[in-house]
Amino acid sequence: GDSVTQTEGLVTLTKGLPVMLNCTYQTTYSPFLFWYVQHLNEAPKLLLKSSTDNKRTEHQGFYATLHKSSSSFHLQKSSVQLSDSALYFCALIGSALGRLHFGAGTQLIVIP
Amino acid sequence: NSKVIQTPRYLVKGQGQKAKMRCIPEKGHPVVFWYQQNKNNEFKFLINFQNQEVLQQIDMTEKRFSAECPSNSPCSLEIQSSEAGDSALYLCASSLSISNERLFFGHGTKLSVL
Repeated sequence: GDSVTQTEGLVTLTKGLPVMLNCTYQTTYSPFLFWYVQHLNEAPKLLLKSSTDNKRTEHQGFYATLHKSSSSFHLQKSSVQLSDSALYFCALIGSALGRLHFGAGTQLIVIP
Repeated sequence: NSKVIQTPRYLVKGQGQKAKMRCIPEKGHPVVFWYQQNKNNEFKFLINFQNQEVLQQIDMTEKRFSAECPSNSPCSLEIQSSEAGDSALYLCASSLSISNERLFFGHGTKLSVL
């Protein structure tokens, strides 16, 4: 069945450094990938949505590229800020009926 | 601020009690999802609707949960007989369509089963 794997449970970084959060997926359908961000006691919000294969999408300084050849949609940012501290979830819509499959999430902590 | 409204924000029940939570989706969104987020932050899909019709639901939802999205009324999710393992954050989300559309989440109902 459809699944999403996020390998890092916790990432701690100093402000200003680059970050990459890994996301790989498995599906037999044509994939649509998303990154959602959840700040403490907040609702999850969409951060990024995949475009066509090998095309980069960007929002609020974050970017990701869907690579169907490696089944990946890694999230990157060149310089993290304190306000980026949050939970980040990679999610996949693989099949019909719109069900979103979430990865286990990565907690990003940015320190001064 | 979230435009998907979930009530109550917190819910405390004893084992065996019914637990009911409600969700008003964003205006104009015909598709509604319920997810359970456990203490490890893992999401579990429970059920989704398009208008008033159930699209998909998992086994657990079929057996112990009841959910509906009546027209002109809030959607609801009810656990018939709460168990300790049901303690979690229940998130409602809505979207414009079932095909590759973003989900808009509410803040959730945090259920504690004592």
